Amino acid sequence: GAVVSQHPSRVICKSGTSVKIECRSLDFQATTMFWYRQFPKKSLMLMATSNEGSKATYEQGVEKDKFLINHASLTLSTLTVTSAHPEDSSFYICSAPREGVGIQYFGAGTRLSVL
Amino acid sequence: LAKTTQPISMDSYEGQEVNITCSHNNIATNDYITWYQQFPSQGPRFIIQGYKTKVTNEVASLFIPADRKSSTLSLPRVSLSDTAVYYCLVVKDSNYQLIWGAGTKLIIKP
Repeated sequence: GAVVSQHPSRVICKSGTSVKIECRSLDFQATTMFWYRQFPKKSLMLMATSNEGSKATYEQGVEKDKFLINHASLTLSTLTVTSAHPEDSSFYICSAPREGVGIQYFGAGTRLSVL
Repeated sequence: LAKTTQPISMDSYEGQEVNITCSHNNIATNDYITWYQQFPSQGPRFIIQGYKTKVTNEVASLFIPADRKSSTLSLPRVSLSDTAVYYCLVVKDSNYQLIWGAGTKLIIKP
């Protein structure tokens, strides 16, 4: 079964609204989680590293005020797309490494469509 | 992080064994090799991970030569449901950060 839960799986919103995506590690704690964006037929692009109890680390070119990341607990990280615009439409995926096992598990992804 | 290179696409037939080779010339001593499978509109799914020689699990085998500059994912007796994109990644044990290449689109035909 899934060890990382991502919700919602799909969201359609109007331009200018904010959308929150949740990523939960189900049976392990994750001090670090990762957020990716994937365009059609392209590979995953790392957006940011979410760190429990501290600020997220953003990759170059990713607007931190646009993509707010909160890692408030050892099992939950959230990505909020603020004031979404059509160009933010994409597939967003989170992942969490299971420490000690050395394997990173991925959520099912969230398809965001901004009208 | 070590960059990986793998074929863009491959075709095979049901029941065949499929081998996908990945090169990672700049792999560091502490790096692991990991393979993921991704279906359209789904998150990647872990297949197998190894450090050297051979690793086998219930779905695949991973062969890594002594110099570790390449690795081969072997899928035994593929079925149509194995049609997916397969990604080879080198993972640093220290921070788990993954750098994704283009992957190999595997198409299995009946």
